[in-house]
Amino acid sequence: AQTVTQSQPEMSVQEAETVTLSCTYDTSENNYYLFWYKQPPSRQMILVIRQEAYKQQNATENRFSVNFQKAAKSFSLKISDSQLGDTAMYFCAFMYNYGQNFVFGPGTRLSVLP
Amino acid sequence: GAVVSQHPSRVICKSGTSVKIECRSLDFQATTMFWYRQFPKQSLMLMATSNEGSKATYEQGVEKDKFLINHASLTLSTLTVTSAHPEDSSFYICSARDGRIYGYTFGSGTRLTVV
Repeated sequence: AQTVTQSQPEMSVQEAETVTLSCTYDTSENNYYLFWYKQPPSRQMILVIRQEAYKQQNATENRFSVNFQKAAKSFSLKISDSQLGDTAMYFCAFMYNYGQNFVFGPGTRLSVLP
Repeated sequence: GAVVSQHPSRVICKSGTSVKIECRSLDFQATTMFWYRQFPKQSLMLMATSNEGSKATYEQGVEKDKFLINHASLTLSTLTVTSAHPEDSSFYICSARDGRIYGYTFGSGTRLTVV
């Protein structure tokens, strides 16, 4: 079974600074998908970024980028120019095959400080 | 964009009663709906997977007779918590593949409190 680990339960960053959230996972599969989801206080799940394991190039979405290290089974999220609206729980998630369920990590609570 | 409407957003019920939670896909057909449960300060855990027109598949440890899932149409899946107890108090979220490339949409969640 796949497992996802996020070793940082809580983190904080000053507004406009850069922060990196860590995620590692365990799988024996070669092809899969990785995601970062944001859950603000409203508890709505919001997709931040997605990475297909067969792609070597790291995904980027505006201020959000990932460092995908397939051999190390590591998938960290970098948030640049942090904004107050980035304050939320961040979940790293694994999906074996598109169409199946997510396996979520325990989450990292990020606070952006003014 | 794709929308999944989940109702109710918040419900309080008495112990021993049943509660129905609905997830409706508004602008796409959801052949598969995933139901997750999130306890306070914890992650989302998959409870069950429902496919339109067939029986749901439950994860280990989830009582299928307690958490009844119905997916009778391509736009509606329901989760009924039967004979609810305080330990069933949690946040329940549905999610569906929405037809976009690698697209998934989540409902807004239901906070269930059993008193």
